[in-house]
Order: sequence, then structure tokens, then C-alpha cells
Amino acid sequence: DAGITQSPRHKVTETGTPVTLRCHQTENHRYMYWYRQDPGHGLRLIHYSYGVKDTDKGEVSDGYSVSRSKTEDFLLTLESATSSQTSVYFCAIRNVGPGSYNEQFFGPGTRLTVL
Amino acid sequence: TQLLEQSPQFLSIQEGENLTVYCNSSSVFSSLQWYRQEPGEGPVLLVTVVTGGEVKKLKRLTFQFGDARKDSSLHITAAQPGDTGLYLCAGAAMGAQKLVFGQGTRLTINP
Repeated sequence: DAGITQSPRHKVTETGTPVTLRCHQTENHRYMYWYRQDPGHGLRLIHYSYGVKDTDKGEVSDGYSVSRSKTEDFLLTLESATSSQTSVYFCAIRNVGPGSYNEQFFGPGTRLTVL
Repeated sequence: TQLLEQSPQFLSIQEGENLTVYCNSSSVFSSLQWYRQEPGEGPVLLVTVVTGGEVKKLKRLTFQFGDARKDSSLHITAAQPGDTGLYLCAGAAMGAQKLVFGQGTRLTINP
């Protein structure tokens, strides 16, 4: 258990509304990631963070922004939600240090539906 | 852009049968991981392979990393209904901060 929680776990919202998903970790990991998972696409990286206030884009970053003001929290914001952003969103942390090889550990996910 | 192609995408077999899932790329990876995901949960790490030709066993699951570190396979012997799930491979290039994921193999083991 990597001590990762996501909130909310489920959300239904309407097109055009802003949405913020939260990822919280308790083990002081430097790297955190946001993915979306859709049928036939596996996991696709949205944004990631390599430290407080240090973030970078992934392969599907359009329409999403992130913030990391403290180590334990990584927020994903949909500024104006669209139906194409209906998905399951996963947060992950990455293990670093001796004996680690980029392993990532995932939270339980947030199911977002945009009507 | 690095890509990982998994095959098959779907596999449904009877309990007790053997199966192999493949993960292929034209790119070289410094490490490759296999994850298993059950409905409503996040992926869970099964194994990491890092050396070309490496074989790792986890009970009835055998993982192999290709000699050139471009591909990997997962073999399950005498599959059980508890093996049902989505299996994902993911690779990391040397020095990369990100993983590249395959599309996943949805495995169903029927009693």
C-alpha cells in the first residue's frame, strides 16, 4: 500500500463546468502522475510532477491543468469539462532510490462522467 | 514516440489451460513492468524485469524480457478464475521519468 488516496471516487458533472480531482499521498514521494484510462487505450499520461511546483505535460494534456503546491497533494483540473473527458482517472507515485526501476503505484481511481 | 503493443487484447479460456500474453516494441527499454488490474481498482505491480533474457517467476506466472530488451511475455500455467483481470505491460527508457503503457490484455478464466 503506497498510501495514495483519490477524491472524489465518483463524480458526475455537466459540460462546461470546472472539475478538480485530488490525489493525496502520505509517503513523501517526489514523483506523481495523472493518467486517464479508456477502453482500448490502456493508461495515457496527462501530466506529471517531479517536485513541488514542478510539472510537465504528458501525451494527452490538452484541456487539463495541474498544480502541486505541497509534496503530498497533486491536483488535476478540467477547466471546462467536455464529454470526451468522461473517463477513469488514476493517480500514481513513482518509487525512486536504490533498487527501484521506475515502478509506479496507483491510487484507486476516480470515475468521472461529463454529461 | 515509444509504443508498446500488447497481444492479444482479449483472451477467454477455460480453467486449467495455459496462456501467453505478448508485449512488443521497436524501442529498447531499460526496464519493463507488468501490472494487473481488477474492476474498480488501480493497477497493481506484479513484476519488473531489467536484464535482457531475464526470466522471473511468480507462482504460476512466468515473465520474460527479450534479449534485446524490446519485448516481453507473460505466461500463465494452469490458469485459475482468480487470474481474471486486465494485464498491462509498461516500459521505461533509460533516464526517462515516464512509463509507456501497452493497451492491455483483458483475460477471462472460465470455471
